[in-house]
Amino acid sequence: AQSVTQPDIHITVSEGASLELRCNYSYGATPYLFWYVQSPGQGLQLLLKYFSGDTLVQGIKGFEAEFKRSQSSFNLRKPSVHWSDAAEYFCAVGRVASGSRLTFGEGTQLTVNP
Amino acid sequence: DSGVTQTPKHLITATGQRVTLRCSPRSGDLSVYWYQQSLDQGLQFLIQYYNGEERAKGNILERFSAQQFPDLHSELNLSSLELGDSALYFCASSSPIGGGGGTEAFFGQGTRLTVV
Repeated sequence: AQSVTQPDIHITVSEGASLELRCNYSYGATPYLFWYVQSPGQGLQLLLKYFSGDTLVQGIKGFEAEFKRSQSSFNLRKPSVHWSDAAEYFCAVGRVASGSRLTFGEGTQLTVNP
Repeated sequence: DSGVTQTPKHLITATGQRVTLRCSPRSGDLSVYWYQQSLDQGLQFLIQYYNGEERAKGNILERFSAQQFPDLHSELNLSSLELGDSALYFCASSSPIGGGGGTEAFFGQGTRLTVV
C-alpha cells in the first residue's frame, strides 16, 4: 500500500528565510506526487506536481520540489518565504491506475515570523 | 477558484440525522472524489466515481454512500450521524488522460459538518 510521511508537523521560519518541507513516500512503482496548500478555512490548492521527466518541478507562488527516487522523497522548497505562505502543506501520492485518488501525508503547519 | 463547487459550506446537525453534501465538478471532468479531513484521521479518501459509476472505495463507512448523476454532479449521503463524523468533507474532480490516471485533482472549498 502506498503511504506518505511528512516528518515535520510544525515548522517556523522567519520572513525572507528559505524553506524546505520534507516528504517521503512509500510506493512500489513510479508515483505521481503532489504538493497542496491549505489556508485556514480554505480548500486545497495545488502547488505543483510530478508525473515524469525532469525531477525538479516548478510550481506556483515560487515553490519548487525535487523528486529523488533513491531517497523516496519529494521535498518542497522556496528560497524566500513570505508572510502569506503561512498555511498547512500536504504532500500526496497517487498512481496511474487510480487516477487522482490520492494518499495524503499528515501535513506540515508553516508559521512565518515577521 | 478551482471550478469545483460544494454546497453547503457549513452544516450543523444532530446525532442520528442524515445529511446530503453536494458537489459540482469542473466543467468536463468525469471523475469525482470525496475526501474526509478530520483532526484525528487527517485527509482520507472516501470514494471515487467516474462518469456515473463507482470506481474505487476507500475508508468509507457503511453509513455513508455516494452517487454521481448523469450531469456529473455528485452527492455524498451521511446517515445515522455520530459526533465523530464531524469533519471537513472535500470533493475533488479530475479529467484523466485516456480514461486512466495522470492529472491532478482540483478540490472544492469543502463542507464543514458539525454533529452536535
